[in-house]
Amino acid sequence: SAVISQKPSRDICQRGTSLTIQCQVDSQVTMMFWYRQQPGQSLTLIATANQGSEATYESGFVIDKFPISRPNLTFSTLTVSNMSPEDSSIYLCSVGLIPYGYTFGSGTRLTVV
Amino acid sequence: GENVEQHPSTLSVQEGDSAVIKCTYSDSASNYFPWYKQELGKGPQLIIDIRSNVGEKKDQRIAVTLNKTAKHFSLHITETQPEDSAVYFCAASMMNTGNQFYFGTGTSLTVIP
Repeated sequence: SAVISQKPSRDICQRGTSLTIQCQVDSQVTMMFWYRQQPGQSLTLIATANQGSEATYESGFVIDKFPISRPNLTFSTLTVSNMSPEDSSIYLCSVGLIPYGYTFGSGTRLTVV
Repeated sequence: GENVEQHPSTLSVQEGDSAVIKCTYSDSASNYFPWYKQELGKGPQLIIDIRSNVGEKKDQRIAVTLNKTAKHFSLHITETQPEDSAVYFCAASMMNTGNQFYFGTGTSLTVIP
């Protein structure tokens, strides 16, 4: 299965600032997914990132708040912009490889103060 | 869209006993059902998955069963050990790297030594 390196693993940020999370995969993949996991909750899909095109955002998530880059088939970034305490969550990237299923990165634990 | 329900939300078992977690899904087009284990401070890790052309799959102490007619699938952990304590998530998807996952709400399993 794919191996995903995600960084940073955690960060504490001031409100109003932005944080960029990086996700590097050891295989070429068409789609990469970004999820948010709020404390004690399940995983919510933020957006799907396809190389060479704009990301597709789920309801409740907008590009201005969560811009995504996908410059090649092994890398993606998610930026959390103009942060507020409500953005404190774990952010996870994920990829899918047939027939191995979907793999998650280890997550970025973000705390906004 | 797909709706995945998961029960119970918390489960405590004595070491050595079995644990069963159940999920139901709504979209009959879903054909891929993974289970993830998430330990504190880590990203979800795939522990077992099942495709819709199979009714049961085992991997050592872990098994998953699928009833396509009833649209439910279950995770069975036998001879539980303290290191099995974690949050478990079920998910449903169509097995295509472009399709998102729909996650259950999670089950917090505690194995009491």
